[in-house]
Amino acid sequence: KAGVTQTPRYLIKTRGQQVTLSCSPISGHRSVSWYQQTPGQGLQFLFEYFSETQRNKGNFPGRFSGRQFSNSRSEMNVSTLELGDSALYLCASSLSAGSENTIYFGEGSWLTVV
Amino acid sequence: AQSVTQLGSHVSVSEGALVLLRCNYSSSVPPYLFWYVQYPNQGLQLLLKYTSAATLVKGINGFEAEFKKSETSFHLTKPSAHMSDAAEYFCAGGTGFQKLVFGTGTRLLVSP
Repeated sequence: KAGVTQTPRYLIKTRGQQVTLSCSPISGHRSVSWYQQTPGQGLQFLFEYFSETQRNKGNFPGRFSGRQFSNSRSEMNVSTLELGDSALYLCASSLSAGSENTIYFGEGSWLTVV
Repeated sequence: AQSVTQLGSHVSVSEGALVLLRCNYSSSVPPYLFWYVQYPNQGLQLLLKYTSAATLVKGINGFEAEFKKSETSFHLTKPSAHMSDAAEYFCAGGTGFQKLVFGTGTRLLVSP
C-alpha cells in the first residue's frame, strides 16, 4: 500500500512568485492536512480538508491556501512568496474524521525561496 | 489550549543505554498523543499512538511510551539504544479534526 506521496520533493522559487504543492493521500484516506516545518517555528498546522471541505485552519496569512479534490488528492498554494516561506511542507492523511485516527505523513516538499 | 512540551532539545546516550525522551501535554480534555521520528531530510514516521485503550503503548523499533494522566506526561523510552535510533523525535497531541500540536522536538544522539 503506497504511503502519502508529495510532489515535487524539492523546488526553488524566487521571491514574489507563487508555488503549488501536491499531495496524494493513502488510498482510502479522506482527510488531508498540511504542516509547515521551519528551524525557527518548528512544525505548524496549516489547514485540513475532509471531503473537499476545509474544516480547520492554522494561523497563516491568506497567501497560503489549499484545496481538496473529489479523489481526496490535495494541493496547497502559496502566493507572493517571501523568504520566510522557505520550509519543509508536510502533507498528512488519515482515514476519516475521527480524532483517534492515525495520521500518516509524507516525505515532504522542500521549498527554498531566493 | 492544547500544548505539548518536550524537555531537552538534545539527548545524548551511548549505544546500549536506556533512551528516555520526555513529553508533557496540557489539556482539559483527554487528548490523543503521538510520537513521530524524523530522519535527516525525510518526513515524519509514526512510532506509536495513545488511544486511551492502554496506558502503556508499544511502538515500532522497540520504543514504548506510558501515558500518565496524573503527571500529564507521555514519555518515550527504549531499553537499549542503537546507532540507527539517532534522529529527531517529536511528540504531538490533538483533540480533533486532525490538527496536531507538536512539541519542539528532541534530537537523539547515540555514541558508540
